[in-house]
Amino acid sequence: NAGVTQTPKFQVLKTGQSMTLQCAQDMNHNSMYWYRQDPGMGLRLIYYSASEGTTDKGEVPNGYNVSRLNKREFSLRLESAAPSQTSVYFCASRESGQSYEQYFGPGTRLTVT
Amino acid sequence: RKEVEQDPGPFNVPEGATVAFNCTYSNSASQSFFWYRQDCRKEPKLLMSVYSSGNEDGRFTAQLNRASQYISLLIRDSKLSDSATYLCVVNPSTDYKLSFGAGTTVTVRA
Repeated sequence: NAGVTQTPKFQVLKTGQSMTLQCAQDMNHNSMYWYRQDPGMGLRLIYYSASEGTTDKGEVPNGYNVSRLNKREFSLRLESAAPSQTSVYFCASRESGQSYEQYFGPGTRLTVT
Repeated sequence: RKEVEQDPGPFNVPEGATVAFNCTYSNSASQSFFWYRQDCRKEPKLLMSVYSSGNEDGRFTAQLNRASQYISLLIRDSKLSDSATYLCVVNPSTDYKLSFGAGTTVTVRA
């Protein structure tokens, strides 16, 4: 049981390049989330998906797009990377019902030069 | 104003000591509160939920003060393995989105 997996673990992009961060969970969770974590700041929600087929903007969605490919997978795309998007990106999932606990993947460290 | 504010620390304590720290939250309508733990360069993991009456989990005690809008975490008999960043997490609305504090770093020394 792998939980939440993310690929890649590390990535360096040049300004203007695009890339997709992949996330998958094997816990049959309905809800999935993408966060970014920057020094001195809490995790900030970029996008989330309450269930398969739905996505919604979080606190900092500009410059990102998402796809909820199926129940297991939730990808985050940077269409034209900017240095301000240098960050650690975490994917998380939550089981349905009353639980607030989110399970996080190991993160992707992205540097945009 | 940030939704969740924490003293970043670091709190540097010897093994066996007690360490305590707070976080404050801005939305008085917040209903659910948690402490997550994050080890260096790792993902956050749920440490414990915080209940209105206060609750313990082994050496960890969490308290909630709704009147003053703060949450506290106390660690007794600190171990080296308690060295981590502790994230204060609040659910400020009726959906299941969470607001995270920036974290309080605790370092336990031998």
